[in-house]
Amino acid sequence: GQNIDQPTEMTATEGAIVQINCTYQTSGFNGLFWYQQHAGEAPTFLSYNVLDGLEEKGRFSSFLSRSKGYSYLLLKELQMKDSASYLCAVLDSNYQLIWGAGTKLIIKP
Amino acid sequence: ETGVTQTPRHLVMGMTNKKSLKCEQHLGHNAMYWYKQSAKKPLELMFVYNFKEQTENNSVPSRFSPECPNSSHLFLHLHTLQPEDSALYLCASSQGTSGSYNEQFFGPGTRLTVL
Repeated sequence: GQNIDQPTEMTATEGAIVQINCTYQTSGFNGLFWYQQHAGEAPTFLSYNVLDGLEEKGRFSSFLSRSKGYSYLLLKELQMKDSASYLCAVLDSNYQLIWGAGTKLIIKP
Repeated sequence: ETGVTQTPRHLVMGMTNKKSLKCEQHLGHNAMYWYKQSAKKPLELMFVYNFKEQTENNSVPSRFSPECPNSSHLFLHLHTLQPEDSALYLCASSQGTSGSYNEQFFGPGTRLTVL
């Protein structure tokens, strides 16, 4: 079957750095997405990786290793507004997005 | 209106009722999606429409019936639902379905409660 694994919850301190990991086993691979979802709101797009390596976008970076079935989202200079759930999703060979259950990130002052 | 809109935002219905959820996208996208989101579970893809044609139906019970009259509008018709159908129903759209074109833009969702 298809599976996306990510930690259920993480806690970090304001101003610090946090890395949220995602591992996947899917039938085919056509890219990996990260989304942010604040409580009670819709998910919003953060990043898309299809080639191995690091993609940097401001305070957020996303890394992909296709051979390891692994990705991470790196958040730097954490702010209180970064408290949210972070969803990892893989586009499989049928161009269907397979979603992880999300990682709830709690930022403490 | 911009982005993806959904109505109603909240819905409470009995198991014998019939209701419809509406989604509209103002982004000129070609693909639209219905998702179910339950607490602590992954997003469950229900239906996909690409250029108004249904391309995915992930074993969704027949009490959920989608309708896509054009590329901008998507409906989810509900009838004889069960309490376990209570969830957040999210609509999304994307430019296409392959690669980065699958970047999905979500509506705010409809919080459905079935009594």
